[in-house]
Order: sequence, then structure tokens, then C-alpha cells
Amino acid sequence: SQTIHQWPATLVQPVGSPLSLECTVEGTSNPNLYWYRQAAGRGLQLLFYSVGIGQISSEVPQNLSASRPQDRQFILSSKKLLLSDSGFYLCAWLGQVNTGELFFGEGSRLTVL
Amino acid sequence: SQQGEEDPQALSIQEGENATMNCSYKTSINNLQWYRQNSGRGLVHLILIRSNEREKHSGRLRVTLDTSKKSSSLLITASRAADTASYFCATPPPGGTSYGKLTFGQGTILTVHP
Repeated sequence: SQTIHQWPATLVQPVGSPLSLECTVEGTSNPNLYWYRQAAGRGLQLLFYSVGIGQISSEVPQNLSASRPQDRQFILSSKKLLLSDSGFYLCAWLGQVNTGELFFGEGSRLTVL
Repeated sequence: SQQGEEDPQALSIQEGENATMNCSYKTSINNLQWYRQNSGRGLVHLILIRSNEREKHSGRLRVTLDTSKKSSSLLITASRAADTASYFCATPPPGGTSYGKLTFGQGTILTVHP
């Protein structure tokens, strides 16, 4: 069966420090992968998505970047964190291509101080 | 602005009661999905209703869709304390492509008291 892993689960970083959040998927090949951010436990905002290795699409201008160095690996990064980058980051893969059902990881909570 | 807007923002009920959450959206859709999120966890897909369906059931869940009013409702019958969670509606972009780029509503926080 397919599983999705995210780490770290919790991260506290100072303003101006770098960031790297990792997401890996098991049990599927060539998945469409997504990074969403959730602020204050409310709705999710799509940040990036990837349909294959090296293919990244950004949905909103921001201080973050994403990379897909391997088929089942999706990384969210920042060179210098801002206070506004705090939030709950969720990685997801597209389980049903023709309907859009997403399977989510357990999330990474980032606090920037 | 958000495609999906949900109400109420918060709902508090007793075990055994029914919980109804509503979602409105703005553009045409191919389907509408409902997700559940336990506190501090990832989202879990609950149910999907297609644009040509009016009602769908899954266990204690009942979803309705009214495309003329651009609205959907999620009914949880005979609620349990374990149903306590946030519930989100989500829609893919219109046009039948890029399905994973879901737009989520702000969610309803459901609290079920034992």
C-alpha cells in the first residue's frame, strides 16, 4: 500500500535561518506531489506541485522553494525564513488522477521566532 | 478569495446528535470532496461527490450537492466523540485538468461531547 512520510514533524527556527522539509512517498511511482500550507488550523493553501523529477510549479509568490530530486521525494526549502513562514506544512500525493483525491502526510509544524 | 466557504465555523453537539456542515463554492466543478483533520494531523479523504450526483452515502456520512446553488452539505449521523475534528470541503479547478490542485474551504471545527 502507498504511504507518505514527512519530516521533521516539528521545527522551531530563528528568523533568517534556512529550512528544509522533506516528503517521501512509498508504494507508487511517478506520483503527482503537492505542498500545502495551513495557517492557524484553517484552510489549506497550495504552494507547489510537481508532476515529475525536476518539474516544479509554484502557485503563489513567496519566500519558499521546492525541489524534486527523485521520483518519490519532494523537498520544501527556504534560504532565509521569515516570521510569516510559520505554519503547518502538508505534503500530499494524488491518489486518484481523474478526480483529485489527495493523500496527505502527517504534516510538519514550523515555528519561526 | 477561497473557492469554498464553510459554515458554521464551529459546531458543538452531544454524542448521538447529527452534525451538518455546509460548503459553498464559486466556480463550476467536476466534483467536490470532503476531508477530515484531527487536531495537529494530516487530512484524510472522506467522500467525493461528482457534479452529476445529488446525494451520496458512506457509512454515517451523507453528502449532498446542489450545483444550481453551488453548495454542498455533509451530514454526520449519530455522532461520536471520535468524530471531533475539523472538516473541509475541497474542489479541483474547473476544466478537467490539474485535479490535485484543490481549493479548500476554511473548515468547520466539530466538537462532539460525550
